Parts: sequence; C-alpha cells; structure tokens
Amino acid sequence: GENVEQHPSTLSVQEGDSAVIKCTYSDSASNYFPWYKQELGKRPQLIIDIRSNVGEKKDQRIAVTLNKTAKHFSLHITETQPEDSAVYFCAASINYQLIWGAGTKLIIKP
Amino acid sequence: SQTIHQWPATLVQPVGSPLSLECTVEGTSNPNLYWYRQAAGRGLQLLFYSVGIGQISSEVPQNLSASRPQDRQFILSSKKLLLSDSGFYLCACLLAVSYNEQFFGPGTRLTVL
Repeated sequence: GENVEQHPSTLSVQEGDSAVIKCTYSDSASNYFPWYKQELGKRPQLIIDIRSNVGEKKDQRIAVTLNKTAKHFSLHITETQPEDSAVYFCAASINYQLIWGAGTKLIIKP
Repeated sequence: SQTIHQWPATLVQPVGSPLSLECTVEGTSNPNLYWYRQAAGRGLQLLFYSVGIGQISSEVPQNLSASRPQDRQFILSSKKLLLSDSGFYLCACLLAVSYNEQFFGPGTRLTVL
C-alpha cells in the first residue's frame, strides 16, 4: 500500500528565512497531495494542495512542488513569521483516503 | 459550506468505562466520513471511514467501534477504555469526492485515567 515519509521531523529557522519540508510517496497511483497546518490543540487545516497534473503551485508565501517521476513533493514557506510556527503534515491520496506523513514541527526563532 | 460538529470537546474517563463520541456534518449529503486519533505529539492515525449509512471500514484492530446511523452522523464507541485510548479524536469529511480534500471537525480531547 501507499507509504508517505516526511522530513525533517523538526525544523528550526530564523524569522524571515525560508523553510522547506519534504515528503516522498510510494504509490504512483496517488493523484492529490495536500499540506495541512496544525496549531497546538487545534484541528489540522488545509493550507495548500497540488494535483498530479501540476508541477508547482503558489499561494502568497507558500508554495508546493511535485516531482511525479521521483515521487516526492515539497512545501516551501518564504519570509517566515512567528505565526508559521506549527506542525505541518503532508499526505497522499489514494482510493478516497489520505495517507499521512508523520509531521514536521516548524519553529520560528525571533 | 460544510460544518462539522463534535462533542464533547473534552472528556476525562476512567479505565474500563464506556465511550461514545459523536460527529455530525452540515452542508453536504452522503459524505465520506473519517475518524482519526492523534496521540500527544504524534501524527494522524485513521481509525474508521464510512462511505454511507451502515457502511464502516476499520483500519486498525482495537477495542473501538464506529457506527453511522444517519447520513450525516458518525459515532465512535468503546465498551471498555484503555489508557492507550487517550488522545485527540478528529472527525473528518471528504469535501470533494474527486480530489480527496478532507475537512476536519474541532476534535474531542480524551484523557483516560
């Protein structure tokens, strides 16, 4: 079955710098790749997603890239701000289910 | 737009007691529904999903069960709670069938003592 690996587990960056989180998946049939942000004690919320027919998508300071050949996708956050501190989860969709990465705790240092 | 309600928001239960968590969805019909558990500091573990009334698929063998008595109601139950059942329980709804975007409810934080 599908397996999603996410790295790093913790990422600490200086405020204003960029952050990159990477995920790999195993099943080439996966066709949808969302990224969720979860603040402490709250529900995960979708921040950006990408379909398998697109290589890159951007929304203000957030971007996602997808390499179908290599089966990996990445989240890029530029000009990081304190409110970006959270846990980020990637996922890959197959058969109406999402297979989740283990999460990355992003820490923004002032 | 869809709204998901979960209750209770928090719950403290003794080991061996029963459990019933409820999830209801508004703004959609015949949704795919999911129950996840998140242990403290961990990722999302899919417990059950349902594609329709009375249709439940279990992902992880455990002492929990799920039921879907109505189109927009999803219930998570246990007859006897274990310490390891503590966690953050999230109900989710599939927003767009063709693309698998999931929307989460506010969650129930369960502590088993």
